[in-house]
Amino acid sequence: GAVVSQHPSWVICKSGTSVKIECRSLDFQATTMFWYRQFPKQSLMLMATSNEGSKATYEQGVEKDKFLINHASLTLSTLTVTSAHPEDSSFYICSASGNTSGSEYEQYFGPGTRLTVT
Amino acid sequence: GQSLEQPSEVTAVEGAIVQINCTYQTSGFYGLSWYQQHDGGAPTFLSYNALDGLEETGRFSSFLSRSDSYGYLLLQELQMKDSASYFCAVRGSARQLTFGSGTQLTVLP
Repeated sequence: GAVVSQHPSWVICKSGTSVKIECRSLDFQATTMFWYRQFPKQSLMLMATSNEGSKATYEQGVEKDKFLINHASLTLSTLTVTSAHPEDSSFYICSASGNTSGSEYEQYFGPGTRLTVT
Repeated sequence: GQSLEQPSEVTAVEGAIVQINCTYQTSGFYGLSWYQQHDGGAPTFLSYNALDGLEETGRFSSFLSRSDSYGYLLLQELQMKDSASYFCAVRGSARQLTFGSGTQLTVLP
């Protein structure tokens, strides 16, 4: 149990376009979802935390108008990178916590989405 | 805020035992987690310590000393497939995790 999926697994887009990444909890209700960004050989940096039905809480330095997060249901959160630029190229990973057989605070990670902006 | 320190690289041979240390400074502390990440993959949960002591899960064990703000991950009977990055992560609030910079473990034949 506690499976999280992400779509797409990789995407290449042109500079200036927007890209939407989906994160789904497949077998549990995710009351909280997290979005991370990871550059090569670096750690996971938390971008924002979203609770179902509420506005996301962004970490310091993360532009909320550039990285739009929607958590409209207990199984789906989306991250939209607006007006993407090459420096936004990264590995984006979501995680979810909620009503699972394990701890409700444990985070279950999706497989990640590799974004390349050309 | 939170800060975590762990070695950047560790190398060991198959069958050996390796310990990856993690020290942390946090404004709040619920527990210390460990994750494994293979290249290009997502982090996989390994263990979680909320209280002092040793937690054992198969070949992997994790230790926490809250008074020393220190923990470690112990990997026994190393296998080639254990080559990966290992991250410690502090749960500073009930739900949020702050990750360390990661330790790249290379297992040699």
